[in-house]
Amino acid sequence: AQKITQTQPGMFVQEKEAVTLDCTYDTSDQSYGLFWYKQPSSGEMIFLIYQGSYDEQNATEGRYSLNFQKARKSANLVISASQLGDSAMYFCAMNRWHTGNQFYFGTGTSLTVIP
Amino acid sequence: NAGVTQTPKFQVLKTGQSMTLQCAQDMNHNSMYWYRQDPGMGLRLIYYSASEGTTDKGEVPNGYNVSRLNKREFSLRLESAAPSQTSVYFCASSGLGTGAHQPQHFGDGTRLSIL
Repeated sequence: AQKITQTQPGMFVQEKEAVTLDCTYDTSDQSYGLFWYKQPSSGEMIFLIYQGSYDEQNATEGRYSLNFQKARKSANLVISASQLGDSAMYFCAMNRWHTGNQFYFGTGTSLTVIP
Repeated sequence: NAGVTQTPKFQVLKTGQSMTLQCAQDMNHNSMYWYRQDPGMGLRLIYYSASEGTTDKGEVPNGYNVSRLNKREFSLRLESAAPSQTSVYFCASSGLGTGAHQPQHFGDGTRLSIL
């Protein structure tokens, strides 16, 4: 079974500090994609960052970086210099082509940035 | 840029009524998806369509049917609504190309209440 685990239901971080949101995954595929999405209180799902299983370097997008440790099957999201607008739910997801391009989502982590 | 458009945004139904949620994307994506999101449970896949002409069950298909009308449109139908189907429904689409895995793009969601 393919599975995404996010073990932190809620996290707090001081404004301007960095925070790491954990994500582990389980798959026997060699090729897969890992994604992080942000869901603010307004409800929309916003794509943040992508890491391919064959990518040797960790992905970065502005203040977001993905700490990819393939042997440990982890894909943690790092947010640097947190801002109040970063307060939201964050979902980790995995994509596999072999099952019809399905995506598998974790249960999410609620991040609160404290001024 | 419209992206993924869902209609309606809000709907209240009585138990036993039927309705269809509409979804259209203008990104020429092959794959489309329907999810439901309940508090504390993340996103659960109802049905998906890897490409035009195919549909498959996801994690929670009972009580729902789908139609991939064409490449752009993917509708979700509740034949006989039940209170347990009260949820926020998201439609998403994704490209299916060679090379990098493509992220999902989401609609704004439909808040559905069954009384």
